[in-house]
Amino acid sequence: QVLLQESGPGLVKPSDTLSLTCAVSGYSISDSNWWGWIRQPPGKGLEWIGNIYYSGSTYYNPSLKSRVTMSVDTSKNQFSLKLTSVTAVDTAVYYCARIWTGGNWFDPWGQGTLVTVSS
Amino acid sequence: SYVLTQPPSVSVAPGKTARITCGGNNIGSKSVHWYQQKPGQAPVLVIYYDSDRPSGIPERFSGSNSGNTATLTISRVEAGDEADYYCQVWDSSSDHVIFGGGTKVTVL
Repeated sequence: QVLLQESGPGLVKPSDTLSLTCAVSGYSISDSNWWGWIRQPPGKGLEWIGNIYYSGSTYYNPSLKSRVTMSVDTSKNQFSLKLTSVTAVDTAVYYCARIWTGGNWFDPWGQGTLVTVSS
Repeated sequence: SYVLTQPPSVSVAPGKTARITCGGNNIGSKSVHWYQQKPGQAPVLVIYYDSDRPSGIPERFSGSNSGNTATLTISRVEAGDEADYYCQVWDSSSDHVIFGGGTKVTVL
């Protein structure tokens, strides 16, 4: 059974960098899959942040591209998200998920972690 | 950029059928995936490749996709189906994931 678990600070100051990690268990991150990050502001819909391949190739949401960096650590079986220059609008629940190659759907998802941007 | 349009809300009586639409330009040429999200929980995949159900998803959930509209159908609706539902595609012209705005299903 594949499980994903997000971790990182729950509170980030404005203008700082948001950093999250997604630990994968029950599956090798190197087994030719894409992995993704999605966020959901309180009371709003889902917003795609980006995808990363185990080799490091990426696709980013153009609205966030200038501030987003994703990376993979195969030795730790995890992947990470960095979002720079955050503001209050970046306050959201951040999810990581496995992406099924070919159809590009997300399954399973991590439980999500709330990140609040506030001073 | 590609846009997916969902109705904000759908109401349905228990035992009846709920239909949730997802509109997009020539969406029939894309693969559509659907997620169910209950309050305080992560989204769960309920339909992939337009009409395939993952293991563990009841047969009451079905999907179709043609022309400019994809549809998630929930038959014999139960109280436990009350949730937000999101459609999603991969836009190969831009290499981006697109989510619909979500539909809140209320069981009367």
